[in-house]
Amino acid sequence: DIVMTQSPDSLAVSLGERATINCKSSQSVLYRSNNKNYLAWYQQKPGQPPKLLIYWASTRESGVPDRFSGSGSGTDFTLTISSLQAEDVAVYYCQQYQTTPLTFGGGTTVEIK
Amino acid sequence: EVQLVESGGGLVQPGGSLRLSCAASGFTFSSYLMHWVRQVPGNGLLWVSRINSDGSSTAYADSVKGRFTISRDNAENTLYLQMNSLRVEDTAVYYCAKVGATLDVWGKGTAVIVSS
Repeated sequence: DIVMTQSPDSLAVSLGERATINCKSSQSVLYRSNNKNYLAWYQQKPGQPPKLLIYWASTRESGVPDRFSGSGSGTDFTLTISSLQAEDVAVYYCQQYQTTPLTFGGGTTVEIK
Repeated sequence: EVQLVESGGGLVQPGGSLRLSCAASGFTFSSYLMHWVRQVPGNGLLWVSRINSDGSSTAYADSVKGRFTISRDNAENTLYLQMNSLRVEDTAVYYCAKVGATLDVWGKGTAVIVSS
């Protein structure tokens, strides 16, 4: 199984400041035949299901604000919230979908400082 | 509107069975892979199972293999998860999810509590 490791476990950021979350996979999730990274990011607020933010490591899902961006390739990935808003308080998960079983990172809690 | 609505959760004793359902609407259900993912409240997400669009191919997490069965009824736009020999550690909220590139639409979940 591919193990997904997120860091930090939690972070507190001032409103309007940048938040950066890291995700590392135990093996590459880059599929060379199509040059795509099978890596997604989700946001989960209390009492709600996860919401897809980013897929293919850097493609924003329709309707997701452009302050959310994803980067990285191979085994190292980053989710950046460029200017934190109050509504961004949530837990964020990375997930690989290159192979079954799908696996998720342990989550990063983002709070307002 | 694309929507997934889970049902069938509840309280069951260890060793018991439950069948979860996921009613799909707003998209061509028969064209999409579907998954079940579970989450212990306050904990992370754990993939459970997936089924391909026509139901001919399935996959399971090792922790549920041999106990859970995923299936679908494309005529009824419904996904199922038959859970047998339930254990205390199966207690979680169970979500169904549709696959676009990955899990792009999730239901609100149904809670399963396994306890004596």
